[in-house]
Order: sequence, then C-alpha cells, then structure tokens
Amino acid sequence: GNSVTQMEGPVTLSEEAFLTINCTYTATGYPSLFWYVQYPGEGLQLLLKATKADDKGSNKGFEATYRKETTSFHLEKGSVQVSDSAVYFCALTSANQAGTALIFGKGTTLSVSS
Amino acid sequence: EAGVTQSPTHLIKTRGQQATLRCSPISGHTSVYWYQQALGLGLQFLLWYDEGEERNRGNFPPRFSGRQFPNYSSELNVNALELEDSALYLCASSGEDRGRGKLFFGSGTQLSVL
Repeated sequence: GNSVTQMEGPVTLSEEAFLTINCTYTATGYPSLFWYVQYPGEGLQLLLKATKADDKGSNKGFEATYRKETTSFHLEKGSVQVSDSAVYFCALTSANQAGTALIFGKGTTLSVSS
Repeated sequence: EAGVTQSPTHLIKTRGQQATLRCSPISGHTSVYWYQQALGLGLQFLLWYDEGEERNRGNFPPRFSGRQFPNYSSELNVNALELEDSALYLCASSGEDRGRGKLFFGSGTQLSVL
C-alpha cells in the first residue's frame, strides 16, 4: 500500500542554517506529494505541494522537488529562522483513487535556536 | 472566516467508557476527515465523510465510528475505550479539492484514557 517514510528527528539547527528533511514514498499510480507543518499548539497546515514528477513546490522559503526516479520529496530551506520551529509532515494522496485520504509520515520535529 | 473547530479541547475518560468528539468544518466544505495522532506514530487516517456518507476508513477497529450531519459537521465516537486510544484526534475539512490533498485542520481534541 501507499506509505511515506520521513527522517527521524528531532532536527536541531541554529538560525540561518540550511535545512533538509528527507522524505521517500511508496505508492501505486501517480501520487501528489505534500508537506504539512504543525506549529506548537496549532493544527496542521499545508506548506507546499507538487502534483507531478519534476514539479517543485515552494512556500515561505521552503522548497521540495518531486523526484519520481528516487521516489523522494525532500524539504529544504536555505536559512531557517526560530519561527520555523515546528513538526513537519510529508504526505501523499493517489490521484487515481478518489476514495483515498492523505497518508502521512510520522513527522519530523525541527527546533531552531538563535 | 472561521476555521475548522473541534470540541472539546481536552477529554478525560476511563477504560471502557465512550468518547464523543465533535468537528465543524469550514463553511462551504462538505468533506470531513478524522486522524489520530498518537505519540511516536504520526498521523493515522481514521475516517472520511463526504456529503453525509462514509467514503473511506482507515485500519481501525469498528469501535471507532462516526457520522456526518446535514450541516456537514461530524462526530467521532470511540466505544469501549482502551488506554492506547489516548491521542490527539484531528479533524480536517476540504471543499471542491476534496480527496486531492488540500486539507484544513482543526487544533484537535486531546483524549486521555486513564
């Protein structure tokens, strides 16, 4: 079945450091890929998405490229801020299964210190 | 515009009792999703309702059930509570993009089973 594997955290960085959070997936069909973020005390919110191979999703300085050959969707940011501290979830849904909800990875906690 | 609202924020029950969790979607959204966020397990998909019907169900026992009302709000019921049901239960809604990944999440109900 469809699944998502994320790197385990926590990831601890200093402000302005480069961030990579790895995400790989297993899926049938042609999934769309997503990154959601959960700030402390809040619900999840969509950060970015990509719907087909080689698409790059971007938002708030974060980027992720849909790599079909490596089944990956790694999240990157060139210079993190303290306000980026949150839990990041990689997720997928299969485009040819209207009855399938989002499948999430286990989440990666990012902690940024000043 | 109000976001997805969930009630109660916290719920404490004892083993064997029943819990009822409620969710109001964003106005105009017809799909409601329920997820369980247990420590160390990430988000596990529970249920998806659309237009009053159950559309999909995750790998949970039948004591997890729910319904969607004509106004699209939803209830999640958990019968015969077990200690491992302790988790954050998240509700999400989507509109015309339902089933395609863009979900709007509430802040969740923290269920504690003693």
